[in-house]
Amino acid sequence: KAGVTQTPRYLIKTRGQQVTLSCSPISGHRSVSWYQQTPGQGLQFLFEYFSETQRNKGNFPGRFSGRQFSNSRSEMNVSTLELGDSALYLCASSLRDRFSNTEAFFGQGTRLTVV
Amino acid sequence: KNEVEQSPQNLTAQEGEFITINCSYSVGISALHWLQQHPGGGIVSLFMLSSGKKKHGRLIATINIQEKHSSLHITASHPRDSAVYICAVRRETGNQFYFGTGTSLTVIP
Repeated sequence: KAGVTQTPRYLIKTRGQQVTLSCSPISGHRSVSWYQQTPGQGLQFLFEYFSETQRNKGNFPGRFSGRQFSNSRSEMNVSTLELGDSALYLCASSLRDRFSNTEAFFGQGTRLTVV
Repeated sequence: KNEVEQSPQNLTAQEGEFITINCSYSVGISALHWLQQHPGGGIVSLFMLSSGKKKHGRLIATINIQEKHSSLHITASHPRDSAVYICAVRRETGNQFYFGTGTSLTVIP
């Protein structure tokens, strides 16, 4: 079956612009979580969605937002981009929510460069 | 303090050597993943562990839940194993992951 698909793979934006990234989980998976990877901070949790509801949010400013659609596809949006938002954005999908021990699968990530 | 600590941070090995990367965590977990990231590339999940030991080819992962410790072993290392290896834990009480800072492995021919 198809893996977790993130689009686009690479993106260059200018400071002040906004960006929307997409994550399509494995078919049947209802949980999607997002992470940011920067050289200085490593991988950090952004938010987690299950069945269109945000379950958890990491310690990021309000410029970072997300949503999940009824088909479990998720988007994250970053408004008013800053140079420090340059990072690899990764999503992971799993079958069920926090009370299950199902394997999580990671996408290839979207590499965002802000200039 | 990080919930997940990995060691070593950097590792250089000769081709054919046996390699061990360690991961310690301080929280209750439902699962631990070992991830691999090649330079400029995305992340691939190598293993998911909740107990015991798993083996895929030359890779072996073990976990000791009581000691909150996991190891990733690579037997007969090869230059194509050169990558960053990241330990990630999923907490018992949530679905998000916490990550180690990664171990950068270079295998020299």
